[in-house]
Amino acid sequence: DTAVSQTPKYLVTQMGNDKSIKCEQNLGHDTMYWYKQDSKKFLKIMFSYNNKELIINETVPNRFSPKSPDKAHLNLHINSLELGDSAVYFCASSQDLRFETQYFGPGTRLLVL
Amino acid sequence: QKEVEQDPGPLSVPEGAIVSLNCTYSNSAFQYFMWYRQYSRKGPELLMYTYSSGNKEDGRFTAQVDKSSKYISLFIRDSQPSDSATYLCATPMGGANSKLTFGKGITLSVRP
Repeated sequence: DTAVSQTPKYLVTQMGNDKSIKCEQNLGHDTMYWYKQDSKKFLKIMFSYNNKELIINETVPNRFSPKSPDKAHLNLHINSLELGDSAVYFCASSQDLRFETQYFGPGTRLLVL
Repeated sequence: QKEVEQDPGPLSVPEGAIVSLNCTYSNSAFQYFMWYRQYSRKGPELLMYTYSSGNKEDGRFTAQVDKSSKYISLFIRDSQPSDSATYLCATPMGGANSKLTFGKGITLSVRP
């Protein structure tokens, strides 16, 4: 019955590799987000999608490419991984573009070696 | 200046203490303010949100906004070990396609 789920939970990879993180929500929400949380717990928005349409792209390097095949899914593909990409990535969803009550997934812990 | 600044931590208190967590924000146009709680190795969850100035109470938690000083606070009464978590204040930047801006978070530990 998980509302927002992410896979994988952990990802350890070498610099230069390409990896993807998947996110699914079963809440029937229209809007989904990707956040990055660094080692100091600072949580920063990367992207938001509304009904499969990109709404926010928060000056993220274009090595990061979100894809939304339908409004229940928002995947994140990262090319040419760098050490600084190591972080916890959270997917979230909300009913619509209004901010109230964003529901977060459990996070994907990415470690780039 | 960051849009939302949060008091640095960590914070450790004994069980039963009253806890005060604080943030300041830079833009007087901000209207909505939230507190998220994040347990270790979990995603943040919305704890409370308030609109404009004033207080909002929910059980042992009280959220307070002082727009004149651009200060937001979360008070926890009778703190419990289960309150041990990271607390993040947040505000949307405004507009139809609002995005949440978070403070850096403060980690609270309640000692039994």
